[in-house]
Amino acid sequence: DSGVTQTPKHLITATGQRVTLRCSPRSGDLSVYWYQQSLDQGLQFLIQYYNGEERAKGNILERFSAQQFPDLHSELNLSSLELGDSALYFCASSMGGLANSPLHFGNGTRLTVT
Amino acid sequence: AQTVTQSQPEMSVQEAETVTLSCTYDTSESDYYLFWYKQPPSRQMILVIRQEAYKQQNATENRFSVNFQKAAKSFSLKISDSQLGDAAMYFCAYRIGGGGGADGLTFGKGTHLIIQP
Repeated sequence: DSGVTQTPKHLITATGQRVTLRCSPRSGDLSVYWYQQSLDQGLQFLIQYYNGEERAKGNILERFSAQQFPDLHSELNLSSLELGDSALYFCASSMGGLANSPLHFGNGTRLTVT
Repeated sequence: AQTVTQSQPEMSVQEAETVTLSCTYDTSESDYYLFWYKQPPSRQMILVIRQEAYKQQNATENRFSVNFQKAAKSFSLKISDSQLGDAAMYFCAYRIGGGGGADGLTFGKGTHLIIQP
């Protein structure tokens, strides 16, 4: 058990809808990262937050947004969903912003857009 | 932009044998970190081993070791005495150093490791 909790585990929704994925980092971790894993694109870094502030952005679509709350949990909001957004979405956390801090991953949220 | 390449989509090894998974990366940075993650069918991403680019000594973790060739930008993973529980997707990942870790990991496409009993 990595200590990172993601909810829900599975999500099925229709095109055009909006969903929110939630992540609770490991106790003491200040950084939260979001990744998308799909068959054709592999694991793609979306966005990072550190202690409530956006730290880095990767291949995140404008239809997607995220935030980290004062209690350090994070939410990833996906809107105007398309079939191609179907993927496994991972949250990871690390202790600080240090590059050598290993990332600890949650079990992911499987999103299916129909 | 940094890229990570895993040229072996799938590898198969007999139980108790040794297998090596390949990874190459492209970067112009001198300060960076390399990682191997394992993703079993449970789909959880599990850190296997990490290597700091400034360290010449290859990292080892029990049956797992790496062969880090900085000049060649190569970072292979060797699994000794393969066990059935090692069956998983293995991802090589790169992370730039400095900058307070303000960047996510760049992953390769993965190698599916099959363990033959």
